[in-house]
Amino acid sequence: EIVLTQSPGTLSLSPGERATLSCRASQSISSSYLAWYQQKPGQAPRLLIYGASSRATGIPDRFSGSGSGTDFTLTISRLEPEDFAVYYCQQYGSSPITFGQGTRLEIK
Amino acid sequence: QVQMVQSGAEVKKPGASVKVSCKASGYTFTSYGISWVRQAPGQGLEWMGWISAYNGNTKYAQKLQGRVTMTTDTSTSTAYMELRSLRSDDTAVYSCARDYSVDTTMPGYWGQGTLLTVSS
Repeated sequence: EIVLTQSPGTLSLSPGERATLSCRASQSISSSYLAWYQQKPGQAPRLLIYGASSRATGIPDRFSGSGSGTDFTLTISRLEPEDFAVYYCQQYGSSPITFGQGTRLEIK
Repeated sequence: QVQMVQSGAEVKKPGASVKVSCKASGYTFTSYGISWVRQAPGQGLEWMGWISAYNGNTKYAQKLQGRVTMTTDTSTSTAYMELRSLRSDDTAVYSCARDYSVDTTMPGYWGQGTLLTVSS
């Protein structure tokens, strides 16, 4: 199975700053089938990005995804207070679907 | 709008079974697959498997093979996940999620989650 490793584990930033989250795969992900989710406490995950770089419906354009092969990045251009949460990457190109361990984005 | 509404919290003893339901609305049920994902307390997301609501084909996580069964009832637009031989480390929030689009198995629309507690 494809193992996804996210870094950093925790990212401490202030509102208005730029956030860069990384997701590295143990092998190449076919067709860039890489997604990013945001999860807040007590809530279900929310799909942000799919196909490595396409924003899901209703996602603000401050969220962007990039990368291919084994290295992927989620960028939040200017952090809003509601963006502080846990972020997971996920690959859905091969079975089993796998998730990264998550990056916690906290207010500095 | 797409809605996935799950059954309520469950408390089970080790060795028992649980069946969680997920009722879908707001779209054509048989056009999309449904994944099941669980999250143990304070932990990350774990994919359990996927079922096609069109033909019932399933894919299961290897670690759960033999203990999990996913089914659908197209007459009620409901998906089910049954987990048997429960252990304490099965304690988690179990979520169903509809595929985001017809051409992927990527979870896009999530239910609210069902807390399963396994304790003697």
